[in-house]
Amino acid sequence: DVKVTQSSRYLVKRTGEKVFLECVQDMDHENMFWYRQDPGLGLRLIYFSYDVKMKEKGDIPEGYSVSREKKERFSLILESASTNQTSMYLCASSFEGNIQYFGAGTRLSVL
Amino acid sequence: KNQVEQSPQSLIILEGKNCTLQCNYTVSPFSNLRWYKQDTGRGPVSLTIMTFSENTKSNGRYTATLDADTKQSSLHITASQLSDSASYICVVNFSGTYKYIFGTGTRLKVLA
Repeated sequence: DVKVTQSSRYLVKRTGEKVFLECVQDMDHENMFWYRQDPGLGLRLIYFSYDVKMKEKGDIPEGYSVSREKKERFSLILESASTNQTSMYLCASSFEGNIQYFGAGTRLSVL
Repeated sequence: KNQVEQSPQSLIILEGKNCTLQCNYTVSPFSNLRWYKQDTGRGPVSLTIMTFSENTKSNGRYTATLDADTKQSSLHITASQLSDSASYICVVNFSGTYKYIFGTGTRLKVLA
């Protein structure tokens, strides 16, 4: 069975902290994605990776960076967390242009 | 502007009833359209995926239709169950890219 695992379901951080969100998939997918989901807005793409060490900015990359050192793992980094980054973060993976499989999400609160 | 709009925003129905959710898009060029179900506090799960040449696709009690000429899709749920209570999200893929445009979803609540 397909599995995308996000390391934390809930996180509470302070303004200015460095935050790491981890995502691991077990399907050998090339493509991995980080989205954020806010009430009243559709999922918005932060970053996309199509291969190890390869990344592309999505629609809202400001304030975020990513790391993909291994195929199965895609990390989202908030260098200096701010309150406007309080959100639900969703990781997804896919093989080529096929179905995206999503993790359960990480609800991040920045105080 | 490339957009995906869904209606209604929210819907309440009684268990056993049918319902239809709508999705209009202006994404071009278009590759495929997907419907996802998202339970509260969980990630979205794929229900159907259709290319521009497909008109209908079913997945159990879920049937999606696509009219690529009018750029409209619908998701029909038959004989609703309490477990159908969730948000349903329409997603359109740009042709030849990994870029997806997500609708804001329809929140469905099924009452006993």
